[in-house]
Amino acid sequence: GQQVMQIPQYQHVQEGEDFTTYCNSSTTLSNIQWYKQRPGGHPVFLIQLVKSGEVKKQKRLTFQFGEAKKNSSLHITATQTTDVGTYFCARYNNDMRFGAGTRLTVKP
Amino acid sequence: NAGVTQTPKFQVLKTGQSMTLQCAQDMNHNSMYWYRQDPGMGLRLIYYSASEGTTDKGEVPNGYNVSRLNKREFSLRLESAAPSQTSVYFCASSTYEQYFGPGTRLTVT
Repeated sequence: GQQVMQIPQYQHVQEGEDFTTYCNSSTTLSNIQWYKQRPGGHPVFLIQLVKSGEVKKQKRLTFQFGEAKKNSSLHITATQTTDVGTYFCARYNNDMRFGAGTRLTVKP
Repeated sequence: NAGVTQTPKFQVLKTGQSMTLQCAQDMNHNSMYWYRQDPGMGLRLIYYSASEGTTDKGEVPNGYNVSRLNKREFSLRLESAAPSQTSVYFCASSTYEQYFGPGTRLTVT
């Protein structure tokens, strides 16, 4: 099935620095979803993108869907310690395929 | 409104033992899913059910069976547990966004 590749696997930043995680597919995606999982918790839905070139913002988080609908990114501006966790992209098409996730750690 | 509930929270099995993981949702969702999560592997889909009465294989179905008992409940069965099945198991339900349960941490020795 369609796989989504996510990079980087880990990212360690100083509080206040920006963070970006990238999701790529070899085939065109009908949609891309992003989830956050806090340490010891379960994944929580953040957003879904469906349109080519779509950009959505949630406070300090900016989500983009590429023009060719083969890639997506999540950018966090001025990270805070509350942003710690693993961020996953996923594509939905009856079944679900998740990327391997990017684990973000933030040094205060 | 409990969302998605899973039982048990923790389980230790010996190789060859069987068990059933239970999942229930109260959001009237048609679709339900079972995932396993291993370090560095993200979430891998085991089985899913797009509607009551239907089930389909995901990425890693071998060694598992499922039952969509009714619209609310979707169970996952390990008939003969193996150490490779040590993992955290998540159940989810969805319209399009997935709502996850708290997970079951399973260890097979």
